[in-house]
Amino acid sequence: DIVMTQTPLSLSVAIGQSASISCKSSQSLKYSDGKTYLNWVFQSPGQSPKRLIYQVSKLDSGVPDRFSGTGSETDFTLKISRVEAEDLGVYYCCQGSYSPQYTFGAGTKLELK
Amino acid sequence: EVQVLESGGGLVQPGNSLKLSCATSGFTFSTAWMYWYRQFPEKRLEWVARIKAKSNNYATDYTESVKGRFTISRDDSKSSIYLQMNNLKEEDTAIYYCATTGVAYWGQGTLVTVSS
Repeated sequence: DIVMTQTPLSLSVAIGQSASISCKSSQSLKYSDGKTYLNWVFQSPGQSPKRLIYQVSKLDSGVPDRFSGTGSETDFTLKISRVEAEDLGVYYCCQGSYSPQYTFGAGTKLELK
Repeated sequence: EVQVLESGGGLVQPGNSLKLSCATSGFTFSTAWMYWYRQFPEKRLEWVARIKAKSNNYATDYTESVKGRFTISRDDSKSSIYLQMNNLKEEDTAIYYCATTGVAYWGQGTLVTVSS
């Protein structure tokens, strides 16, 4: 199985500050079609997961442009500029290049400083 | 608007069975590949099963730990998928989510607790 390693596992930020989460995969996520199927999924407390970003950097509809995704092959980063209260929760990276065995990182909990 | 709604969870004893349902709307279900995921109490997320569309002969795949015990199925006339879970174990305790391809849309989840 592809192992997804996220760091840090916990992140304390003040409202208005920026936050950055790293995700590394145990193998390259570049698929045979040339695309890289790396997603970022967000779960606010008590809610179900919601995808924010797909194919490394494409924002889902309605996702603010404060969110951005970068990376390639095995190294990926989610950046949140100007954190707002609604951004607090757990962020997971998730690979789909080895579908159907989607695998997730352990999650990064974004908390208020 | 895409909607996904799971049901059927509950408390069961080890060795017993449970069937989960997932009703959907807002997209072309008949051509969609559909998935079940689960989230363990410690918040770890795991893919459980996948079912492809009719054009792919409704092919199915399972994570290793549920092979031979769980069965995923679908009813295109009802835009729904199901997860038949047999011989449940305590380690199957989790919130079960139904989701579309690419983890794009998730339901609210249904809690399955396996305990004596």
